[in-house]
Amino acid sequence: SQQGEEDPQALSIQEGENATMNCSYKTSINNLQWYRQNSGRGLVHLILIRSNEREKHSGRLRVTLDTSKKSSSLLITASRAADTASYFCATSGNQFYFGTGTSLTVIP
Amino acid sequence: SQTIHQWPATLVQPVGSPLSLECTVEGTSNPNLYWYRQAAGRGLQLLFYSVGIGQISSEVPQNLSASRPQDRQFILSSKKLLLSDSGFYLCAWGLAFSYEQYFGPGTRLTVT
Repeated sequence: SQQGEEDPQALSIQEGENATMNCSYKTSINNLQWYRQNSGRGLVHLILIRSNEREKHSGRLRVTLDTSKKSSSLLITASRAADTASYFCATSGNQFYFGTGTSLTVIP
Repeated sequence: SQTIHQWPATLVQPVGSPLSLECTVEGTSNPNLYWYRQAAGRGLQLLFYSVGIGQISSEVPQNLSASRPQDRQFILSSKKLLLSDSGFYLCAWGLAFSYEQYFGPGTRLTVT
């Protein structure tokens, strides 16, 4: 299966700290995307990184992609309580696959 | 701007009853449309996608079906629900040649 797998499954940090989540996948991709899902809500698209890119920034988010290791990381800097959510990576090659997600809790 | 609607937000249905979930998109034409399911504690699973009216591709064999009667309308149905159909159902749209997908608010289905 091409499904992404996030690591860790759950992460709890203090407000102001950085949060790093990792995603691994199995086959070649065209791009990788990160989504956020607040409890019981729809997914919100955060950032897309193409297979020929190594790093991308968007506000407090930094995404890296290592296609040789088939892995990506999402870094949230200076976390806030409002960042508490589940974060999913999704890979897109011929089809679109989601990982199981990392549950992030930011403690005020 | 584009908007995607899903309803109902929550639904409790008995086993064996029918299901109809509706998704509509505004502000774009000829979108690709997708239905996903998220079981409790699991990742998202792609159920169906559609690249045009009447064109439906099924990703997994299951108790569900999908239809696209209009360009911006996508319907998920079942004739007889199973307990295993419980979950969070998400509709998404994307442009034909774009990799990004945009999700609706979701429907939480509980089959009792």
